Amino acid sequence: EVQLVESGGGLVKPGGSLRLSCAASGFTFNSYSMSWVRQAPGKGLEWVSSISSSSTYIYYADSVKGRFTISRDNAKNSLYLQMNSLRAEDTAVYYCARISSSYPWSHPDYWGQGTLVTVSS
Amino acid sequence: QSVLTQPPSVSAAPGQKVTISCSGSTSNIGNNYVSWYQKLPGTAPKLLIYDNNKRPSGIPDRFSGSKSGTSATLGITGLQTGDEADYYCGTWDSTLSAGVFGGGTKLTVL
Repeated sequence: EVQLVESGGGLVKPGGSLRLSCAASGFTFNSYSMSWVRQAPGKGLEWVSSISSSSTYIYYADSVKGRFTISRDNAKNSLYLQMNSLRAEDTAVYYCARISSSYPWSHPDYWGQGTLVTVSS
Repeated sequence: QSVLTQPPSVSAAPGQKVTISCSGSTSNIGNNYVSWYQKLPGTAPKLLIYDNNKRPSGIPDRFSGSKSGTSATLGITGLQTGDEADYYCGTWDSTLSAGVFGGGTKLTVL
């Protein structure tokens, strides 16, 4: 059974940093691309970033480019999102999602339950 | 403003059929596969349709997908109260080199 468990969310002040983690199990992690998708309160889904299975391809939404860094550790079956220079508009539930192939432009097929990030003074 | 355009809401009676549209452009829907997700409050999104019209195992055939040009459609037949949720279309945008979602459609089963 595919399982994705996010952690690392919490309350942070504007301008602060946070690192999200996603622990994956139930599939061969190094064969799949991974993504982060977020949902702000009362808003729709917003794609944040994707990384290919071997980290060759990395993509970011314009809204987070230069502030967020996606990475993965295939030996630890883990996905990460380093978030710097956080803004109030980054407040959202952040979902870790498995992409259905090794290519990051395919569709997410499994999602974690999400971790809440709140940016507020 | 989402790259993909969906109606904010749709509604229909139990047992009826509803369709949800998703409009994009040649850089996204026109040249890439479309997927659809069901989102209930407080839960993770659930994949309903991928590659325009394929259903993952466990998704009933009441859910269907289609694509024509730069638009895609999700169809749900035999509506049940449990289908009340937000529905999102998604795809890759080759020009933006980014994943994109529609703004979401709230389905109400009257």
